[in-house]
Amino acid sequence: DTEVTQTPKHLVMGMTNKKSLKCEQHMGHRAMYWYKQKAKKPPELMFVYSYEKLSINESVPSRFSPECPNSSLLNLHLHALQPEDSALYLCASSQDFLQPEAFFGQGTRLTVV
Amino acid sequence: ELKVEQNPLFLSMQEGKNYTIYCNYSTTSDRLYWYRQDPGKSLESLFVLLSNGAVKQEGRLMASLDTKARLSTLHITAAVHDLSATYFCAVEGSGNQFYFGTGTSLTVIP
Repeated sequence: DTEVTQTPKHLVMGMTNKKSLKCEQHMGHRAMYWYKQKAKKPPELMFVYSYEKLSINESVPSRFSPECPNSSLLNLHLHALQPEDSALYLCASSQDFLQPEAFFGQGTRLTVV
Repeated sequence: ELKVEQNPLFLSMQEGKNYTIYCNYSTTSDRLYWYRQDPGKSLESLFVLLSNGAVKQEGRLMASLDTKARLSTLHITAAVHDLSATYFCAVEGSGNQFYFGTGTSLTVIP
């Protein structure tokens, strides 16, 4: 099973809403990632969790709040977003240093209105 | 910060032709990945290159890595329409970070 599952697939939210994106993998991977991808651009790294600890935060605004409840789950809590935050949000996971290949979820298409 | 550049950014090629996409990166790394992305879809892993001189082939695609030159190539042989997609290389920096190249949008014309 090389699957990373993201929910929801699509999300429309207002600027005052609070919502969460969810990501799940059952491959035993110990590193999990959030990426943001705007149309026709490469994915941009937002956060990296390694062994359930936040190891990298790429200067992401505080309106994005990651959470890693356990080794299989990764959440991204959203609050007071702006229209420019509309994008495809991708979750990925990888095993560890020895098996670094990253597998991506199908993404959540987020629209902020 | 590690920078990753791809060229060309856009590629239109006829079926049956060969072409190469280039990926250059700015700092030392021994790990490079190639991904494919179809419009509106996620990224599909194509190749994992983990050492200097690594070469991998799958169907009409072949990827190679020269860590000394900080260069990877993705060679397309006898292109077919199904290969139309955006191709990204990604380089692994420190701390499990993947830095993506600018992407190459490939269109194969019948």
